[in-house]
Amino acid sequence: EPEVTQTPSHQVTQMGQEVILRCVPISNHLYFYWYRQILGQKVEFLVSFYNNEISEKSEIFDDQFSVERPDGSNFTLKIRSTKLEDSAMYFCASTPGGGSSHEQYFGPGTRLTVT
Amino acid sequence: AQTVTQSQPEMSVQEAETVTLSCTYDTSENNYYLFWYKQPPSRQMILVIRQEAYKQQNATENRFSVNFQKAAKSFSLKISDSQLGDTAMYFCAFRPPGSARQLTFGSGTQLTVLP
Repeated sequence: EPEVTQTPSHQVTQMGQEVILRCVPISNHLYFYWYRQILGQKVEFLVSFYNNEISEKSEIFDDQFSVERPDGSNFTLKIRSTKLEDSAMYFCASTPGGGSSHEQYFGPGTRLTVT
Repeated sequence: AQTVTQSQPEMSVQEAETVTLSCTYDTSENNYYLFWYKQPPSRQMILVIRQEAYKQQNATENRFSVNFQKAAKSFSLKISDSQLGDTAMYFCAFRPPGSARQLTFGSGTQLTVLP
């Protein structure tokens, strides 16, 4: 069964450094998402992406964040200058979109630790 | 904006027994989608069950079923014949209609199945 994959599974970085989190959505999916989950808290929406553009973004997704689909398979989340409060689990998700396909398929997550 | 409330931070159930997890939400939308996701210790987000608001019939997936009360904006999850593998954090999530729309999650209920 196809699945969303994410790399790395765990990333440790120093405050102020740039990080890029990578995701490979399911191949025929059209809509892509990033969510984050600070330890012990709820899952929060960051951004959705369709047709090479951001569709929606939350107030968390400020100028320090950017997303990109650099090729036909990868979907990346970049944090330009990490802060301690960016430490969280980051989940990528994708969905075929349109019609009745409303389930978002989640990847296993990347645990980001900012020291 | 939509809100999702899970009022039970923790619950426990004996193996083979039945347990019900509560979820309420607030929205002005008429058509929308509701989901229960399971997050085991691995922190992978796994879809358990989904419900389309326009369907009056409650969704069922094997041992998992929902009680969807649209007028009351309530969406509870019933787990029958609980198994040790059901131990996880359970999140209720809301999704408005339309493509590329974000999921709004509740704060989660930690369910422990006791042997």
